[in-house]
Amino acid sequence: DTGVSQDPRHKITKRGQNVTFRCDPISEHNRLYWYRQTLGQGPEFLTYFQNEAQLEKSRLLSDRFSAERPKGSFSTLEIQRTEQGDSAMYLCASSLGVLRDNMNTEAFFGQGTRLTVV
Amino acid sequence: GQNIDQPTEMTATEGAIVQINCTYQTSGFNGLFWYQQHAGEAPTFLSYNVLDGLEEKGRFSSFLSRSKGYSYLLLKELQMKDSASYLCAVRDQEGGGNKLTFGTGTQLKVEL
Repeated sequence: DTGVSQDPRHKITKRGQNVTFRCDPISEHNRLYWYRQTLGQGPEFLTYFQNEAQLEKSRLLSDRFSAERPKGSFSTLEIQRTEQGDSAMYLCASSLGVLRDNMNTEAFFGQGTRLTVV
Repeated sequence: GQNIDQPTEMTATEGAIVQINCTYQTSGFNGLFWYQQHAGEAPTFLSYNVLDGLEEKGRFSSFLSRSKGYSYLLLKELQMKDSASYLCAVRDQEGGGNKLTFGTGTQLKVEL
């Protein structure tokens, strides 16, 4: 397993278009996260899944954003009617679930998809 | 929710020691992580603390005080390749206990 992979690495789109990104997590990881990062900021949480269930979605996320993980393996993040403010790096990460207290279950990140909306 | 605070920038000299501080406020603390991120690359895991005290891993150490809501990352024998952003992240009990919330990161510049 080569780690978390994301596709595409770069995406340039016109304002108003829809875009979809894909994330393939580490195979034995049941938790998958989407983050967004802009220049000079830390990653901002968007949503996460345990297996195929979407357990939490950021209140900051507009209804133009939707994420799926249909079989509990890969995930897709779709942005509809893109706006220039959506330009950012979209990071995916995966981890094992917390099995017991104090267990270190760090998240491993993919290389990200850099979205530019023009 | 959480509030995580860390300095925006720091500069240090090659071979020296630097300490990057992080303070946090959270409703259900469940662990603190430090990540390193080079420009244009993904964050990579450095350290994890859930109990008070110091965790050492080679040139990197991380300290946690839960009562003070405080952590630091200590980097020894600095090398030029350590120039990067260092992200403090807190895991809390919301949503099943595994969501990470990140600070804005500390941009470390190592100089000769």
